[in-house]
Amino acid sequence: SQKIEQNSEALNIQEGKTATLTCNYTNYSPAYLQWYRQDPGRGPVFLLLIRENEKEKRKERLKVTFDTTLKQSLFHITASQPADSATYLCVSGGYNKLIFGAGTRLAVHP
Amino acid sequence: EAGVAQSPRYKIIEKRQSVAFWCNPISGHATLYWYQQILGQGPKLLIQFQNNGVVDDSQLPKDRFSAERLKGVDSTLKIQPAKLEDSAVYLCASSDKYREGNYGYTFGSGTRLTVV
Repeated sequence: SQKIEQNSEALNIQEGKTATLTCNYTNYSPAYLQWYRQDPGRGPVFLLLIRENEKEKRKERLKVTFDTTLKQSLFHITASQPADSATYLCVSGGYNKLIFGAGTRLAVHP
Repeated sequence: EAGVAQSPRYKIIEKRQSVAFWCNPISGHATLYWYQQILGQGPKLLIQFQNNGVVDDSQLPKDRFSAERLKGVDSTLKIQPAKLEDSAVYLCASSDKYREGNYGYTFGSGTRLTVV
């Protein structure tokens, strides 16, 4: 079955460092991947979308890569801040269907 | 623009009771989704509407869940009768397929349902 896998362990980093989150997909080839941020008690908030024919996309301190050979997307937050602490969801899309990963919790410590 | 509105924010019911959730999407968004998010998991699609027609309800437990989107705007999701395993956050989202590449899906804050 189609699966999106994200590291279930929380990622703890120091303020100012780059956070890198991993998303792997199996048994299909999504047309695009989305990344969302979710804070406790809130709905997910859209951050970035990258299509299968794009290798990299940037938005301010965020960078997303899409490697169709490795079946993997990496999500980077540079110069991380405590306000970046949240759960980040990887979502695959295509064929009118979204599949959500379970998310990785990021904690940025001062 | 105003966000996706959902109500109520919280609901506690006993098993076998019924419950309804309401969603008002962003104005002009033709596509509306209901997701179920169990604690520690990613959202799971229950039903997708395009205007007032159902596009995908393959994961909706139709023996107890129902949803409608009258006039292609507001939507309600109902559970009758509720089971303990229905305890979750129910998220509504909407999208404009012509702008999804830049704006993705917009989610409401959800309704947290506890079945006791």
